[in-house]
Amino acid sequence: GAVVSQHPSWVICKSGTSVKIECRSLDFQATTMFWYRQFPKQSLMLMATSNEGSKATYEQGVEKDKFLINHASLTLSTLTVTSAHPEDSSFYICSAGQANTEAFFGQGTRLTVV
Amino acid sequence: GQSLEQPSEVTAVEGAIVQINCTYQTSGFYGLSWYQQHDGGAPTFLSYNALDGLEETGRFSSFLSRSDSYGYLLLQELQMKDSASYFCDAGNNRKLIWGLGTSLAVNP
Repeated sequence: GAVVSQHPSWVICKSGTSVKIECRSLDFQATTMFWYRQFPKQSLMLMATSNEGSKATYEQGVEKDKFLINHASLTLSTLTVTSAHPEDSSFYICSAGQANTEAFFGQGTRLTVV
Repeated sequence: GQSLEQPSEVTAVEGAIVQINCTYQTSGFYGLSWYQQHDGGAPTFLSYNALDGLEETGRFSSFLSRSDSYGYLLLQELQMKDSASYFCDAGNNRKLIWGLGTSLAVNP
């Protein structure tokens, strides 16, 4: 299957700082990528759909000014958590797909804001 | 609206067979996918059903009935490593619509 690489796998940052998470499709081009967050023992929650060359589409309740998404190329999407606070601590995962059958996930990023 | 329902927890013993059911309500349904997620890891794809019937992949099989908006994942010859969360997805256009997941515990 296709490979999606997400970096970093974990990060600890101070409250008020910003953190950038990268999601790369290594062996295919992804015009669309998805960003999710997952709290412990809960399901993935879609945050936004990242579209190459255009603005991301955010789900209801997700602050677009806080979670900045950039999809400047067909193989890279970035999620920047701005002015992070402890409540932003979570597991963030990106996904991309080539068809309507299977989503390929990055390894996930565990963010801890202290 | 869109929703999926799965059992929250299932417990079984090694070597047993387990069936995890999923009922869904969604617009623009393409098919039903199943993913496995171990604690601390990313989800991995298990199977996809676009048509009614049973799809078999090794120890795992998945079933879909579009008329009943229902599907299930069947795990056979359970192993300890199968202990994980299992999610059904009835998404469309690559936008996953997840159930809350079923936590499977496999005991010796």
